[in-house]
Amino acid sequence: GEDVEQSLFLSVREGDSSVINCTYTDSSSTYLYWYKQEPGAGLQLLTYIFSNMDMKQDQRLTVLLNKKDKHLSLRIADTQTGDSAIYFCAESWPSGGGSYIPTFGRGTSLIVHP
Amino acid sequence: EAGVTQSPTHLIKTRGQQVTLRCSPISGHTSVYWYQQALGLGLQFLLWYDEGEERNRGNFPPRFSGRQFPNYSSELNVNALELEDSALYLCASSLDGSYEQYFGPGTRLTVT
Repeated sequence: GEDVEQSLFLSVREGDSSVINCTYTDSSSTYLYWYKQEPGAGLQLLTYIFSNMDMKQDQRLTVLLNKKDKHLSLRIADTQTGDSAIYFCAESWPSGGGSYIPTFGRGTSLIVHP
Repeated sequence: EAGVTQSPTHLIKTRGQQVTLRCSPISGHTSVYWYQQALGLGLQFLLWYDEGEERNRGNFPPRFSGRQFPNYSSELNVNALELEDSALYLCASSLDGSYEQYFGPGTRLTVT
């Protein structure tokens, strides 16, 4: 079966880097995602990585993928108070009907303090 | 460009009642997905609609149903509400089952 695991909380100081980690179990995963959810809001797709990539960088965000260990991480450089949110890791592969239905972790609450 | 919209924002219902939630996808998106985000349980996939047809279904009882209209908007219906149906219901849309899904702000359902 598929399962995505994340630590529940991460606290960092403003200006430091944040690293949020995730492990997944399904080796057939094609896409791996990071979503951000701010209080009272829906999920915002931050970035995703295709399974044949090791790294993807997008401004302050760096995604690292270790397929051997089934480990995904999201690094946020120069973390700001506006980055405080819940971050969800998700994996997907072509499912019944051909869509990519993500399986989500339970989310990591990132708290950024001054 | 407008994002995914959902209505209503909040809803309070009594156990045993029925509820209908609505979702409008991003213009041009044909696929609509419904998820349940219950406290402490993360996001659970409910239903996927594309081109008016139900394409996939998560592990939920039949009292969770829905439909997609010709304009690609969608409704989620929940019958015989139970207390554990209290959750944030999120709708997402994508281009034709694409791996990029974009989420709406959700409908917060409270069942008392």
